Amino acid sequence: DAGITQSPRHKVTETGTPVTLRCHQTENHRYMYWYRQDPGHGLRLIHYSYGVKDTDKGEVSDGYSVSRSKTEDFLLTLESATSSQTSVYFCAISEYSGRQETQYFGPGTRLLVL
Amino acid sequence: GENVEQHPSTLSVQEGDSAVIKCTYSDSASNYFPWYKQELGKRPQLIIDIRSNVGEKKDQRIAVTLNKTAKHFSLHITETQPEDSAVYFCAAPIGGSQGNLIFGKGTKLSVKP
Repeated sequence: DAGITQSPRHKVTETGTPVTLRCHQTENHRYMYWYRQDPGHGLRLIHYSYGVKDTDKGEVSDGYSVSRSKTEDFLLTLESATSSQTSVYFCAISEYSGRQETQYFGPGTRLLVL
Repeated sequence: GENVEQHPSTLSVQEGDSAVIKCTYSDSASNYFPWYKQELGKRPQLIIDIRSNVGEKKDQRIAVTLNKTAKHFSLHITETQPEDSAVYFCAAPIGGSQGNLIFGKGTKLSVKP
């Protein structure tokens, strides 16, 4: 499982409340990613990080912010949750073997915004 | 923008038959093409990948082929088994960078015993 954990695994919240999801990795990977998965859309990249305090936007970044103050933790925040942000959120890391990179996923967080 | 198209969206086969899933990509600089399998309620798991310096890669019953000229790649599963039933996703990097992947929308494979 590439040493990736996500918390919480399930969350129900109300529209307008802030929500923070945590991705934690134990193997000192430099690159980390947040995706959302919705029926009919596959996996879409929200934000990614290429080092401590180094982050950038992905395909669907509106309404989300991220922070990475330590190598092992990548946080995804929904400042004011909306029903359209109901989704399954996956964190991923990139593992390098020589110059080749492979991406592995965490177990996911199911978020329901009422 | 960059795009990955995946077909079919659903595929039903009899146990023992072969299954083929096809993806096309738009960025000619892409050089890495992974395939993920996702069982219901689980995380996507990497099952095979191919890099642009080869045209085909095999791992037991699964294989991936790549045609860079036509910008398409395919997943082949032979001698399918019920445990192959899952959703399969292809992906390709944005702007040639391996890390930022664009995923196809998935193929739900059902293998009937």
